[in-house]
Amino acid sequence: DAKTTQPNSMESNEEEPVHLPCNHSTISGTDYIHWYRQLPSQGPEYVIHGLTSNVNNRMASLAIAEDRKSSTLILHRATLRDAAVYYCILRDDNFNKFYFGSGTKLNVKP
Amino acid sequence: DTEVTQTPKHLVMGMTNKKSLKCEQHMGHRAMYWYKQKAKKPPELMFVYSYEKLSINESVPSRFSPECPNSSLLNLHLHALQPEDSALYLCASSQVGSYGYTFGSGTRLTVV
Repeated sequence: DAKTTQPNSMESNEEEPVHLPCNHSTISGTDYIHWYRQLPSQGPEYVIHGLTSNVNNRMASLAIAEDRKSSTLILHRATLRDAAVYYCILRDDNFNKFYFGSGTKLNVKP
Repeated sequence: DTEVTQTPKHLVMGMTNKKSLKCEQHMGHRAMYWYKQKAKKPPELMFVYSYEKLSINESVPSRFSPECPNSSLLNLHLHALQPEDSALYLCASSQVGSYGYTFGSGTRLTVV
């Protein structure tokens, strides 16, 4: 199974953009890149996903490198409510399963 | 209804007890999942059900027994657990294929 590598923790100031990196050098052509976040005492929450092209939604943007070996989750204006553990996950389209990486704990300072 | 509901939220059980965790969704999702999450660790996949059939068992010990009685309900039967099985147990559901998962808030299990 393909693996992801993320920094253990990052810090951001409130209302500033945050770029959360993820390396997935062993990604295969059928793997989708998913991002989830987990707030304290809650289950993981879907943020965004993509295959090859950059993606935008109301929560965030996903920038995918041309070789697909890395991606970046962009929160355009961090708020205190964005403090969470962010997981970058590869999902094999042939198999109905996710494997979570170790995640990045994002701390947002007021 | 866009939620996955897990009950109970907290459970304390002895090593000789039998208990069950319940997970329910009414989003028409035909794939359901059990994950185990230890403190400060990422969730680990345990079981996957697709169209009410067990499709993936990640070499989980037999003291954990999943059941999917219908397309909306997923159970996890627990028997003769060990203290190291104490964890947050998360249920999730999705459409079959490359779609996002919806997770429940989990059941926090303590084995004494």
